[in-house]
This record gives sequence, C-alpha cells and structure tokens, in this order.
Amino acid sequence: QKEVEQNSGPLSVPEGAIASLNCTYSDRGSQSFFWYRQYSGKSPELIMFIYSNGDKEDGRFTAQLNKASQYVSLLIRDSQPSDSATYLCAVKVIKAAGNKLTFGGGTRVLVKP
Amino acid sequence: GAVVSQHPSRVICKSGTSVKIECRSLDFQATTMFWYRQFPKQSLMLMATSNEGSKATYEQGVEKDKFLINHASLTLSTLTVTSAHPEDSSFYICSARVTQLAGGPQELFFGEGSRLTVL
Repeated sequence: QKEVEQNSGPLSVPEGAIASLNCTYSDRGSQSFFWYRQYSGKSPELIMFIYSNGDKEDGRFTAQLNKASQYVSLLIRDSQPSDSATYLCAVKVIKAAGNKLTFGGGTRVLVKP
Repeated sequence: GAVVSQHPSRVICKSGTSVKIECRSLDFQATTMFWYRQFPKQSLMLMATSNEGSKATYEQGVEKDKFLINHASLTLSTLTVTSAHPEDSSFYICSARVTQLAGGPQELFFGEGSRLTVL
C-alpha cells in the first residue's frame, strides 16, 4: 500500500462546477496535510494546508480532513480553466529521524470551458 | 510567500559528465532544504534532506556518491549529479521549509525546478 494515494484522473469538470479531489494516507501518525498545485513543467505551489479535523476554506478552495478515516480532500468551487493542473496531496509525519513530506501521485484536473 | 530560486532551469549534458544545480532561499534563511526528483507523470520523490553545516540525509535507494549535496550556507544548497547517465534525466526540484505561523505546520516552498536531460 502506498503511503499517500490519489486517483490519477484525469478528473474532467465543466467550468463553474465543483471539482472534488480525494487523498488517503496510511500512517496514522500523520499530522499535517498539504495540497499543492502543479502546472505541467512547473514546480508545485502550495494551495492549502490543514491539520485539524473538519473543513478549512480559503477562497474557492476547501480542504477537508478526517483523521479517523485517514483521508483528506480538496474542493474547488466555481472551477476555472486556469485550475487545470495536477493537484498533489502531501502528508507530513513527524518521526525521530526528522519530518518529511510524502507526496501522493497527484490527480490531474481538466476544467472544460 | 517565501521565494526559493533554482538554477539552471534546463540543462542538457553528455553521458558521463557532472551537473550542478543550485537552490537559493532569497528572502529567508533555510537551515533545511529538500531535494526531490520527479519523473514524467509521476509524483515527487524525496531524494535527500540537506542540512546547513552538516551532511545530507539520503533516502533509501539514493546513491549519496552519485548525488552530492552541499549546504554550506543558510541560503544555498547545491546538488551535483556526478557521472550522469540517461536514466538520471528527470525534473529535479529543491524546496525549503518555512514556518509561517507560530506553532503551525511548516510549509514547503519549491524552487522552479531543473530539467536535466542526459544524452
């Protein structure tokens, strides 16, 4: 089992609709959760982080965390063509050897006008 | 947000040569930087953690003698791919950790990435 799993997609979404992305993780010791957006050929950029159960909203983005079920999701409201990218879920686990982020494989999102 | 600059953005080299990639934190001091590698259509794989003033910590399976990391100052870490081969062709990305909020999770800011092509 991969440490962080995402559906690779592509997730096709009509412009203006809600895109829903899911991410599951295997380590119950995971403490912080991040969503990054990566355009083709570019490096990732941070969209949101969340570390408490529940929802966290930032503009058109909402992150949802459920530690009991070990999943974190990202909702993109009013999707725009510029949202077309690969979205990476990352999980931080604090270990004796140090903290590090483990990334999922990413979900490719296509927003169609 | 914090700015991490990476250079060069693209490099093409012949097999057997060495290539150096620089990663700089422009407006903050980064005691820890991370080096990732990303193959096409795959996710980021952590190669090593670069610690200022000490040896880098390599992930399992990453050859420390092939991927030399130096973090001599608080704003600069370098990755040297020695004796590069075509299978080393990849997108190499550095990142630095910044604590934005007191007591909050430390965010990673990424450099622009360096695309290495080994002929």
